[in-house]
Amino acid sequence: AQSVAQPEDQVNVAEGNPLTVKCTYSVSGNPYLFWYVQYPNRGLQFLLKYITGDNLVKGSYGFEAEFNKSQTSFHLKKPSALVSDSALYFCAVPGAGSYQLTFGKGTKLSVIP
Amino acid sequence: DAGITQSPRHKVTETGTPVTLRCHQTENHRYMYWYRQDPGHGLRLIHYSYGVKDTDKGEVSDGYSVSRSKTEDFLLTLESATSSQTSVYFCAISGGGSGNTIYFGEGSWLTVV
Repeated sequence: AQSVAQPEDQVNVAEGNPLTVKCTYSVSGNPYLFWYVQYPNRGLQFLLKYITGDNLVKGSYGFEAEFNKSQTSFHLKKPSALVSDSALYFCAVPGAGSYQLTFGKGTKLSVIP
Repeated sequence: DAGITQSPRHKVTETGTPVTLRCHQTENHRYMYWYRQDPGHGLRLIHYSYGVKDTDKGEVSDGYSVSRSKTEDFLLTLESATSSQTSVYFCAISGGGSGNTIYFGEGSWLTVV
């Protein structure tokens, strides 16, 4: 079964520092991988996705993600964190045969002023 | 924002009563989904639809039914609400295909007392 894991429930980072939110995947074949962000009391917003090609994917709000096939990882990164980046982040992978997404349990990012 | 409207946005209901949540889209997307979000579980798929009158079960479908009589509307019904169904429910849409992005509505907060 296709799955993703987010090993950290919470990540704290100081404003202006680089941030990383981790995701590892378990899929058969070539993976499609997604990142979403959820602000309090809001729906999930699409950030970026990896389909094929360049291992570094650029997305919305200055975020990027690095696909690493040997480590089966797709970590979300940003060079300089903002307080407004504080939110819940979800990694996701398509489920088998139904065009739906299977999500990780989420990582709460707190950017400290 | 994707053209997805969920109603009601907030509802409190009593155990044993039926509840229907509505999702309306203006994007003419083929696929529609209902997810629930609970702390520690991330998002889990309840049901999805791949066309008018075409629906299938997701990971946590027990106690829920769905209907899709028009492309733009996808209804989620709790036949007899239980406290374990207290959750945040998200509707989502997609054009289909494993690489296609899924877009989410703003959520419906349901409390069963």
